[in-house]
Parts: sequence; structure tokens; C-alpha cells
Amino acid sequence: RKEVEQDPGPFNVPEGATVAFNCTYSNSASQSFFWYRQDCRKEPKLLMSVYSSGNEDGRFTAQLNRASQYISLLIRDSKLSDSATYLCVVNYIGNQFYFGTGTSLTVIP
Amino acid sequence: EAGVAQSPRYKIIEKRQSVAFWCNPISGHATLYWYQQILGQGPKLLIQFQNNGVVDDSQLPKDRFSAERLKGVDSTLKIQPAKLEDSAVYLCASSLGTGNTDTQYFGPGTRLTVL
Repeated sequence: RKEVEQDPGPFNVPEGATVAFNCTYSNSASQSFFWYRQDCRKEPKLLMSVYSSGNEDGRFTAQLNRASQYISLLIRDSKLSDSATYLCVVNYIGNQFYFGTGTSLTVIP
Repeated sequence: EAGVAQSPRYKIIEKRQSVAFWCNPISGHATLYWYQQILGQGPKLLIQFQNNGVVDDSQLPKDRFSAERLKGVDSTLKIQPAKLEDSAVYLCASSLGTGNTDTQYFGPGTRLTVL
């Protein structure tokens, strides 16, 4: 079983739509959680950390459910510039970082 | 602020040849990571350094891969000999500290093709 699992998509949504991605992790001892964004043929960049209480950054909302071991990312009012691959990242004790395979999003005009 | 630098950006070699990649992290960053990203997959951690010591190399194929960070700054990753399945993008990242909440900053990567 993979440490971190994501639906690879692709998700094709119209501009202005709301889209949600989920990610599940296998190790209940996981400590930290992140969403990274990766544009085509570019390096990953941190989008946001995910906190237990949930957190919001503009149009982006991240949620953590420790009991069910999943993380979610909600994007509201999608923009063309949101088109990218979104990577779920989980950190275990000892600083081992595990990346999911990524979820591909294309926002259509 | 200068980002993480990597070279070369692209490399094409034949199987059984050797190859080396170089990474210069952001100035002052204590932790350096090497990742392998195969097409269609997420990055996989190969090795993590804190200053010049190895923190985690559990997923590094040590029979053919080696890495060093001798002075706690620059790092090199070597593959010897390369196999077809080593074709991937090799990403270097750095973070300021060693906390598990630290942001990792990635370099542009080295795209390796093994023929």
C-alpha cells in the first residue's frame, strides 16, 4: 500500500467552478501535512500547510481529518492559472517526507 | 534571494555509464534533500542531509547511487552505473531547519534520460 494516495485525475473544470481534491495517508503517526503545486515541467512549490483546525488562504481551503487519515484541498472560483498538478505531502516522525502522485487540474475557459 | 541551483538541467547518457548532478541550496539552509521524480509520479525522497550528515537514506539504491555534502553546503548525487529505469527528473530541495513543518524549496531539477 502506498504511503500517500491521490486520485490522479485529470480534473477538467470550467472557470469559476469549485473543485475538491482528497488525499489519504497510511501512517497514523504522520505529523505534518502539505499541499504543493507543480506546473508542467517545473519544480514543486508549497501551496499551503494543512493544520488540524483547517486553514484557508484566499480561494484555497485545506482540511485534515486525522481519524479517517485524509487531507482535502478545496479551490473556489477556479482561475485558468490554477491549472497544475497538486501534490499531497505527508511528513512522519524523523522527517521522512512522502509525496502523493499528484492530481492534475485543468481549468477550461 | 537566490533559489536552489542545480546543474546540469538536462543529461542524456547510455545505460551503464556514470553521471553526477550538482546542487547548491539556498544560503543558510541546513537541510538538503534529493528526490527522484519519474514521469507521472510524485517525488520520491532519495536522501536527506542535515548540514553534512545523512539524516535519511533509506530509499537510496546504494548499490548504484551515492551522494555527499562534504562541507555542509553544496551536494552531489552520483549514479554509477545507470540503468534505463533511472530516467527521471532529479530534484534537489533545501529547508532552513530540520523541523517537520519547514518549507522545502525546490531547484529546477535535472532531467536524466538513460538510453
